[in-house]
Amino acid sequence: GAVVSQHPSWVICKSGTSVKIECRSLDFQATTMFWYRQFPKQSLMLMATSNEGSKATYEQGVEKDKFLINHASLTLSTLTVTSAHPEDSSFYICSALGGNEKLFFGSGTQLSVL
Amino acid sequence: GNSVTQMEGPVTLSEEAFLTINCTYTATGYPSLFWYVQYPGEGLQLLLKATKADDKGSNKGFEATYRKETTSFHLEKGSVQVSDSAVYFCALTLPPRGDYKLSFGAGTTVTVRA
Repeated sequence: GAVVSQHPSWVICKSGTSVKIECRSLDFQATTMFWYRQFPKQSLMLMATSNEGSKATYEQGVEKDKFLINHASLTLSTLTVTSAHPEDSSFYICSALGGNEKLFFGSGTQLSVL
Repeated sequence: GNSVTQMEGPVTLSEEAFLTINCTYTATGYPSLFWYVQYPGEGLQLLLKATKADDKGSNKGFEATYRKETTSFHLEKGSVQVSDSAVYFCALTLPPRGDYKLSFGAGTTVTVRA
């Protein structure tokens, strides 16, 4: 079946550095991908919708200059957390919309900012 | 706004026990309701869904009934197996956002012991 690969699965970084998370659709093309974030014991929240070849659409309250999304090809979307701070420590999950309108999820990235 | 509240985990059960995970929602309009499951090391997968009141979604022995009067979509399985150990997420979406702009709950970790 369709698979979405998300890397890295976990990352630890120093405060002030930037971290890039990749989301790849392995056997299908995805014009639309989604990025979610989950803080401990809280809901998995949609951050943004990533559209191939155009700017991402961010949900209310999500800083677009802090969470840079690039969807330069039909199989890859990246989320860059710029100048990360401890409050950005969270679990990030991507998903990709397949051609049959089915949604496929990555396995998530645990980000810890020291 | 739209939100999903599901019972906190973790939940630990013995094999063949009955499992219930409560889920209630708040939404303006008539949402579609979903249960997603995340097995260790994998991405979220759609387990079942229901799109209107009194609909029952079912898959792999799991069932959930869309109850508009109680705004609930509780997940049940009559006899769990060790392989059901996973994190379960309740979610909703509202037209015209489609089945892919989801509002999730916090997830419930279920561990089934042999």
